[in-house]
Amino acid sequence: LAKTTQPISMDSYEGQEVNITCSHNNIATNDYITWYQQFPSQGPRFIIQGYKTKVTNEVASLFIPADRKSSTLSLPRVSLSDTAVYYCLVGDYDQAGTALIFGKGTTLSVSS
Amino acid sequence: EPEVTQTPSHQVTQMGQEVILRCVPISNHLYFYWYRQILGQKVEFLVSFYNNEISEKSEIFDDQFSVERPDGSNFTLKIRSTKLEDSAMYFCASSDSGRGTDTGELFFGEGSRLTVL
Repeated sequence: LAKTTQPISMDSYEGQEVNITCSHNNIATNDYITWYQQFPSQGPRFIIQGYKTKVTNEVASLFIPADRKSSTLSLPRVSLSDTAVYYCLVGDYDQAGTALIFGKGTTLSVSS
Repeated sequence: EPEVTQTPSHQVTQMGQEVILRCVPISNHLYFYWYRQILGQKVEFLVSFYNNEISEKSEIFDDQFSVERPDGSNFTLKIRSTKLEDSAMYFCASSDSGRGTDTGELFFGEGSRLTVL
């Protein structure tokens, strides 16, 4: 599994756009990039997944450059309820039942 | 919306006692997982289960741990003789597939908090 590196913590204010960058220099050809969100005392929750270029859903956007050695999760106009830990995971989801291995994640704190 | 449910939400036990944590995965899912999270630390993979057998397990998942799918709906984690360091939140997760164009998304339950005294 490719090793990922992301900031330990980030601070933001309500209404701002937040960009969390993850480095994954050893990403393999079959690997996808996936982001999960975890609120205190809850299980992680899938946010978004991509392979290359840009993916957008109702929650976030994921930007992946051509070399795929990094990715950026973009949260538009954050609110207090976006305060959570965000995990970047890289893995080959073409393998059935691939276990996700979580790193320490990025703790995002949103203030008013 | 379908969800993974876990019971109990909180269990307190004495060191050396056996504990069974229960999970009901999403009904059409085929892959099941247990993770744990010690307070303030990262989410750690324990074991994955498919077709009635263990697919992968981590170093944490030693002989004191076992998993079972006793019927068509439940997925259990048993800790045979609990230790103080087993105190953690235990998350069950399920997924439908990791193949092809599927995202391999894991759906997590709300967790079972285990406190070993």
